Amino acid sequence: GAVVSQHPSWVICKSGTSVKIECRSLDFQATTMFWYRQFPKQSLMLMATSNEGSKATYEQGVEKDKFLINHASLTLSTLTVTSAHPEDSSFYICSATIPVIDRGENTQYFGPGTRLTVL
Amino acid sequence: LAKTTQPISMDSYEGQEVNITCSHNNIATNDYITWYQQFPSQGPRFIIQGYKTKVTNEVASLFIPADRKSSTLSLPRVSLSDTAVYYCLVGPKGGGADGLTFGKGTHLIIQP
Repeated sequence: GAVVSQHPSWVICKSGTSVKIECRSLDFQATTMFWYRQFPKQSLMLMATSNEGSKATYEQGVEKDKFLINHASLTLSTLTVTSAHPEDSSFYICSATIPVIDRGENTQYFGPGTRLTVL
Repeated sequence: LAKTTQPISMDSYEGQEVNITCSHNNIATNDYITWYQQFPSQGPRFIIQGYKTKVTNEVASLFIPADRKSSTLSLPRVSLSDTAVYYCLVGPKGGGADGLTFGKGTHLIIQP
């Protein structure tokens, strides 16, 4: 159980285009999903928290108009990189938590990641 | 969130036991300790989680002293496929309501 998928696994696009990345929880419902970005040889950096049915919460320094997040259902969150530029090239990873009431755990299950290359 | 400190890298050999220690001096009462493994170009994979004393599962053990200011991930009889980056994180109670803050992690290299 606790499988999170992402699509696509990799994408190459031209500068100025927009790219949509999907994150799905396959065998559970996730009221909260998270989006991370990872540059080569660096750690994961939290970009935003995606809440089903409400606006995403962005971390400081992350442009909400550039990285559009939509969490339309309990199993799907999408990240759209608008007007992508080469500096947006990175590895984008989503995660989801299983809502376990009062177990005091903070376990997140991560997707396989999406490699974005902007030419 | 409590800050964590781990060695940047470690080397070992196949068949050995590897222990990676993480310091988290400012851990809060309700914080849990979680370890993740990440291979290149893949998302992190949950390894083990604990609150105190010792936790063991099919892949690793987690040792947490009474003061909880550190923890040690123990990987028994490592193989080449255990070469990866290992992240130690501490996080509050709440079922994962907060995004995780990843440190630099420990790059473990297993040699034949």
